[in-house]
Amino acid sequence: GAVVSQHPSRVICKSGTSVKIECRSLDFQATTMFWYRQFPKKSLMLMATSNEGSKATYEQGVEKDKFLINHASLTLSTLTVTSAHPEDSSFYICSAREWKTPYNEQFFGPGTRLTVL
Amino acid sequence: AQSVTQLGSHVSVSEGALVLLRCNYSSSVPPYLFWYVQYPNQGLQLLLKYTTGATLVKGINGFEAEFKKSETSFHLTKPSAHMSDAAEYFCAVIAYNQGGKLIFGQGTELSVKP
Repeated sequence: GAVVSQHPSRVICKSGTSVKIECRSLDFQATTMFWYRQFPKKSLMLMATSNEGSKATYEQGVEKDKFLINHASLTLSTLTVTSAHPEDSSFYICSAREWKTPYNEQFFGPGTRLTVL
Repeated sequence: AQSVTQLGSHVSVSEGALVLLRCNYSSSVPPYLFWYVQYPNQGLQLLLKYTTGATLVKGINGFEAEFKKSETSFHLTKPSAHMSDAAEYFCAVIAYNQGGKLIFGQGTELSVKP
């Protein structure tokens, strides 16, 4: 149980285009989803927290107009990187939390490698 | 506020040797602590967690960790390293005063020599 998927696993796009990444909880209802960014040889940096049906809460320094997050259902959250540039190239990981988990354990997706040319 | 410090960004051991990855935490409330493993180009996999109860926690792949409140530590160990253990390891604590988000350590890369 507690499987989280991400799609696509890898995407290459041209500078200036927008890219959408999906995060799905496959066998549980995720009231909260998290989006992380990871640079090579670095730890995970939390970008934003999204609760189903409400606006995402962004971490300090993360541009909300550039990284659009939607959490329209209890099993799906999307991250859209708008007008992508080479500096947005990174590994993006989502995680999901089920409302009834007593200690707030998060389940992680496999990640999406974004390369902007 | 909660925080996590992992001592040593890179640890190298020989196959069959003891693995010890260090993690110290800071928390004003009883912490929930986690160890995750990440293989190249993959997401994070939970190795083990400490919530309440027994301070020695056993996880997958032969790993275990001991919660020591007096030392504010949660070190990860494995008696005998295997080549397949080579990966990045992250210690994390839940930040209750920040919406329950995970606070990660900097990560420790484990290399296993034949």
